[in-house]
Amino acid sequence: QVQLVQSGAEVKKPGASVKVSCKTSGYTFISYGLSWVRQAPGQGLEWMGWISAHKGNTQYVENLRDRVTLTTDTPTSTAYMELRSLKFDDTAVYYCAREGGGGDFDFWGQGTLVTVSS
Amino acid sequence: QSTLTQPASVSGSPRQSITISCTGTITDVGTYNLVSWYQQYPGKAPKLIIFEANKRPSGISNRFSGSKSGNTASLTISGLQAADEADYYCSSYAGRSSWVFGGGTKVTVL
Repeated sequence: QVQLVQSGAEVKKPGASVKVSCKTSGYTFISYGLSWVRQAPGQGLEWMGWISAHKGNTQYVENLRDRVTLTTDTPTSTAYMELRSLKFDDTAVYYCAREGGGGDFDFWGQGTLVTVSS
Repeated sequence: QSTLTQPASVSGSPRQSITISCTGTITDVGTYNLVSWYQQYPGKAPKLIIFEANKRPSGISNRFSGSKSGNTASLTISGLQAADEADYYCSSYAGRSSWVFGGGTKVTVL
């Protein structure tokens, strides 16, 4: 069965960087794209960016473009999201989600809480 | 990208039907039929319940249905049940490998 398992919670100081992993299984990794979505406490979902697991090309939301990098490691079927220059309002649960092919996100990771605190 | 517009809350009694709207623009909902809906319980990851505006993934109850007209998509939950009390989000493909979400709607079963 398809599974996306994310790395554990992180606490970071403002200005630091965080790298969250998303290990996938149960499907052919390079056949699907992956997006990252975040959710601040009590807030809605925000799409952050997308990566093609086949070609590695990426697309990012405009307001994070200069601070976020998405990568993949095909041999381990793992995707990564790195966010730099962390700010207090980057505190959120970060999700990876597989793009199902119909413009949807059909499988999601369990989420990783990133807390930015001094 | 701006967020899609959803009502903050919708409520209904058991066995009633409710509809949640999701309004975008010509650059997202109005151009692409790639609208999806997600159900999210507190502390849990979102779950896909509608894709391509009106299709249900395997295992999703036929009480959930979707539609789209122009720049607005809609999710209807019929035969409302206590278990349907959750947050619901719409999403649309917006071109060039980008997506946009709605602000979310809290559904309350009275």
